[in-house]
Amino acid sequence: DTGVSQNPRHKITKRGQNVTFRCDPISEHNRLYWYRQTLGQGPEFLTYFQNEAQLEKSRLLSDRFSAERPKGSFSTLEIQRTEQGDSAMYLCASSLFQGGYTFGSGTRLTVV
Amino acid sequence: DAKTTQPPSMDCAEGRAANLPCNHSTISGNEYVYWYRQIHSQGPQYIIHGLKNNETNEMASLIITEDRKSSTLILPHATLRDTAVYYCIVPAYNNNDMRFGAGTRLTVKP
Repeated sequence: DTGVSQNPRHKITKRGQNVTFRCDPISEHNRLYWYRQTLGQGPEFLTYFQNEAQLEKSRLLSDRFSAERPKGSFSTLEIQRTEQGDSAMYLCASSLFQGGYTFGSGTRLTVV
Repeated sequence: DAKTTQPPSMDCAEGRAANLPCNHSTISGNEYVYWYRQIHSQGPQYIIHGLKNNETNEMASLIITEDRKSSTLILPHATLRDTAVYYCIVPAYNNNDMRFGAGTRLTVKP
């Protein structure tokens, strides 16, 4: 078990470009979560999958954001037409039950 | 989620016990208390959780008051590597996400 893997670790993009992040959860975990964290703040919930179904989305997840989890395995988070305000650490977590999350190391996005 | 209140920062001497408090006065009877920590530049790490009994694992102990309105996370022998932000979270029953607040920044000093 290699834990939750996120790629890339860092991404620098120009404003207006699209970016996609990948999360590979722990294989037996059916729950997968995406969070966003800005400097000095705690992680903010974005969205939740149970298997391949996206069951919950935060109001933070604007229409420029889309997440998928095909076949209930890895997940991708895409941001279209990036803005400087999207600069943050994007964290993925997986779990078997409510609360016992294992987080990845995150993808740090910088929009210039 | 039940609202939690934590001090913004605390210091602890290396080798001493670190006692991190959390108030959650609006907690409901079936809601658990979870503790996570986040070391700089890493994702949060699960530490421990409990409902009403005290809990202990290899990382920490969790003491929950009898009325369940507050809890204390205890790191029995703090080391420099325990310097981190510690989050106390009480997710609503059957809620599918953990809501992190600002947490307590613990600094362990030599």
